[in-house]
Amino acid sequence: AQSVAQPEDQVNVAEGNPLTVKCTYSVSGNPYLFWYVQYPNRGLQFLLKYITGDNLVKGSYGFEAEFNKSQTSFHLKKPSALVSDSALYFCAVRDTSGGSYIPTFGRGTSLIVHP
Amino acid sequence: NAGVTQTPKFQVLKTGQSMTLQCAQDMNHEYMSWYRQDPGMGLRLIHYSVGAGITDQGEVPNGYNVSRSTTEDFPLRLLSAAPSQTSVYFCASSYGASGGPLNNEQFFGPGTRLTVL
Repeated sequence: AQSVAQPEDQVNVAEGNPLTVKCTYSVSGNPYLFWYVQYPNRGLQFLLKYITGDNLVKGSYGFEAEFNKSQTSFHLKKPSALVSDSALYFCAVRDTSGGSYIPTFGRGTSLIVHP
Repeated sequence: NAGVTQTPKFQVLKTGQSMTLQCAQDMNHEYMSWYRQDPGMGLRLIHYSVGAGITDQGEVPNGYNVSRSTTEDFPLRLLSAAPSQTSVYFCASSYGASGGPLNNEQFFGPGTRLTVL
């Protein structure tokens, strides 16, 4: 079975400061991990993914995420937050074992960047 | 490419009515899925398909029906609408095995906001 947890419903950060949105996962095999962003009244947009290789993954809009197998985490980070980064962020995981075809999503974290 | 399209964008139903939410993609993706999004619940998988003629249930399938007669289309049917089905519905698609592990992110439609009175 695959599952993902986003422990924070909301993250507040000042513009220009670094931001972190947390995600932990549980799988039987190796994970495929994803981050998506949702702006108000829009569908989800893909940000970045970890499949294999380097633990630090770089994605769109200056975001990056670090895969940590020992801590089963995949936290989303950005060195300097922008007000325009304010949105809802979803982490998703797909287990590579057990015939899983579709990822499971977390409950989402609302990121608010204050001017 | 239009990507993933969904119609209608908004719909109001009365309890007991039936309707079909349309979803189409023009990227030749094998996998398609339907999610519902409710406050505090994230995205929950309703049904999914790994190819034409193949569908399976997700986490919350009750009250919904799907079919996949073509690669492009994946309609979601509400058989007898209930107020608990008030939600925002998203359709998504992705490459399957043919795309390999490096091309498996999902593409989402703009959503259908459904209210059941």
